[in-house]
Amino acid sequence: SQQGEEDPQALSIQEGENATMNCSYKTSINNLQWYRQNSGRGLVHLILIRSNEREKHSGRLRVTLDTSKKSSSLLITASRAADTASYFCATDPHGGATNKLIFGTGTLLAVQP
Amino acid sequence: KAGVTQTPRYLIKTRGQQVTLSCSPISGHRSVSWYQQTPGQGLQFLFEYFSETQRNKGNFPGRFSGRQFSNSRSEMNVSTLELGDSALYLCASSTRGQGSTDTQYFGPGTRLTVL
Repeated sequence: SQQGEEDPQALSIQEGENATMNCSYKTSINNLQWYRQNSGRGLVHLILIRSNEREKHSGRLRVTLDTSKKSSSLLITASRAADTASYFCATDPHGGATNKLIFGTGTLLAVQP
Repeated sequence: KAGVTQTPRYLIKTRGQQVTLSCSPISGHRSVSWYQQTPGQGLQFLFEYFSETQRNKGNFPGRFSGRQFSNSRSEMNVSTLELGDSALYLCASSTRGQGSTDTQYFGPGTRLTVL
């Protein structure tokens, strides 16, 4: 079963606007990662935030993590049509040597030019 | 460095057949994980291999199996295919367990259609 729930399930915005996606998870984590997937293709890693971090930036991306609420958010600023994709959060719930990621349900982002 | 590669990219099989998918990790990566993505169940972990040993397995029937070779390349096999096995199969590699980053890098996937 999936650990993460993301909302909204779908988001439609205009180019230049900001997009915010939220992810909630159920168990303690070692880290949380965000991935992007363009229409049925492979996953592209965007950013990793560790459990002892609260905020992280990468270019136009800003990720926050609240371990007390078991939630994370991904903010994409000044969105572009090329940002149109599905976005997934993935948690590493084990903190050990294995690589089992638990993915959320995903947010489908459509950026209108 | 070249990214994760998966072959074939597309595959059509009929029920009852078996299939083998291949994954070549990023050079230097010894951990390879497999995931299944379907519209109904989303992305689900199948198994992970590290240095030719299966380290973790997801909740899938025994028809799903895998292996890893000494050069870290991995294969997964699905026997007695069912219609519900139609999915995008994604492979990911990382240096986890080698004392560095936890980031998993994904390949483009193999789209399996079972008729």
